[in-house]
Amino acid sequence: SAVISQKPSRDICQRGTSLTIQCQVDSQVTMMFWYRQQPGQSLTLIATANQGSEATYESGFVIDKFPISRPNLTFSTLTVSNMSPEDSSIYLCSVELTGKTQYFGPGTRLLVL
Amino acid sequence: GENVEQHPSTLSVQEGDSAVIKCTYSDSASNYFPWYKQELGKGPQLIIDIRSNVGEKKDQRIAVTLNKTAKHFSLHITETQPEDSAVYFCAASPNDYKLSFGAGTTVTVRA
Repeated sequence: SAVISQKPSRDICQRGTSLTIQCQVDSQVTMMFWYRQQPGQSLTLIATANQGSEATYESGFVIDKFPISRPNLTFSTLTVSNMSPEDSSIYLCSVELTGKTQYFGPGTRLLVL
Repeated sequence: GENVEQHPSTLSVQEGDSAVIKCTYSDSASNYFPWYKQELGKGPQLIIDIRSNVGEKKDQRIAVTLNKTAKHFSLHITETQPEDSAVYFCAASPNDYKLSFGAGTTVTVRA
């Protein structure tokens, strides 16, 4: 498996501001992903963080709202921009090891007021 | 894309009894089926997975079965314990890396 950490673990933010979430993994991985989990809901893939190139976004998610960086094979950031209360969610990063096996970080719990 | 349905949404069992969660998927190309357990305040934890070339897999009190013809797979937890109380998610993956998740099942084990 992999040890994945996220910062911050939780935050309360004002609408209109932005928050950058960090994800660090203890080994080099090719595939890193960002998910959103709205309150009481399942997991929805936001984007794949590609090292050395632009992230690949899923339908319904755009780069202007969720810019992603992937400067190396162990680190990625997700920014939630111009936040509104609807952005209140748990944001999770995951990494893929061998054979599609994905491991998740502990999540960042975001509340937007 | 892949659509995964999960049932039941909630499940309450007596400690020591078995719990069964069922999922169906739509894309016949899906070949990887993981199960995750999410405890309150934590990220999802991979507990078991199965690939399309296998019909059943077991790990201590947890087992997963796969029926490719019917496109459904199930999680079985035997001898349930209070620490099994959590939300469980099934997922399916077609030929690429993406996981499509079910809606989740909240399992409560009554002492």
